[in-house]
Amino acid sequence: LAKTTQPISMDSYEGQEVNITCSHNNIATNDYITWYQQFPSQGPRFIIQGYKTKVTNEVASLFIPADRKSSTLSLPRVSLSDTAVYYCLVEKNTGFQKLVFGTGTRLLVSP
Amino acid sequence: GAVVSQHPSWVICKSGTSVKIECRSLDFQATTMFWYRQFPKQSLMLMATSNEGSKATYEQGVEKDKFLINHASLTLSTLTVTSAHPEDSSFYICSARPGEYQPQHFGDGTRLSIL
Repeated sequence: LAKTTQPISMDSYEGQEVNITCSHNNIATNDYITWYQQFPSQGPRFIIQGYKTKVTNEVASLFIPADRKSSTLSLPRVSLSDTAVYYCLVEKNTGFQKLVFGTGTRLLVSP
Repeated sequence: GAVVSQHPSWVICKSGTSVKIECRSLDFQATTMFWYRQFPKQSLMLMATSNEGSKATYEQGVEKDKFLINHASLTLSTLTVTSAHPEDSSFYICSARPGEYQPQHFGDGTRLSIL
């Protein structure tokens, strides 16, 4: 299982773009990168998933360089409701590999 | 789609009581589900992998006789905390994957408080 490393916490203000970087140096060829968001007293919620280059959906973008040893979650124009913990995970999309959560990044968005 | 439901969302009980938590996949079948425990301001810790029709696989350090897992159908896994004590108080979360090339979907968790 590939280990991930993220900053413990980040601070931002409403309307700013937030970029959270995750390193996963021992990612395997078949591994995907997935980001989850968790609010207090709730289960994690899927945000975005990618394999390489750039993926964008309605809430975020995911940038993955060619060597895939890191990835960056980009949240455009954050709001107070984006205050949460963000987890980066590396997983295989086939089979039923168990997920191992790292520390996550606690994002605090202020007015 | 791909909703995972947990019940109850919150339970308080006396020490020595056994508590059952249900995890259901509402609109898909899941041969494998996962159970996590999360303490305040900490990350999720995987407790066990629940396998439909067979025994669960427990992570190192998790007592299988303490945390009983049953996965009797393709849409339901249960976690029973037997003879619960205050140190078992935590937030328990389950997850399941709808299929290959799909991300994990998580329940909203169960807050367990043992008095």
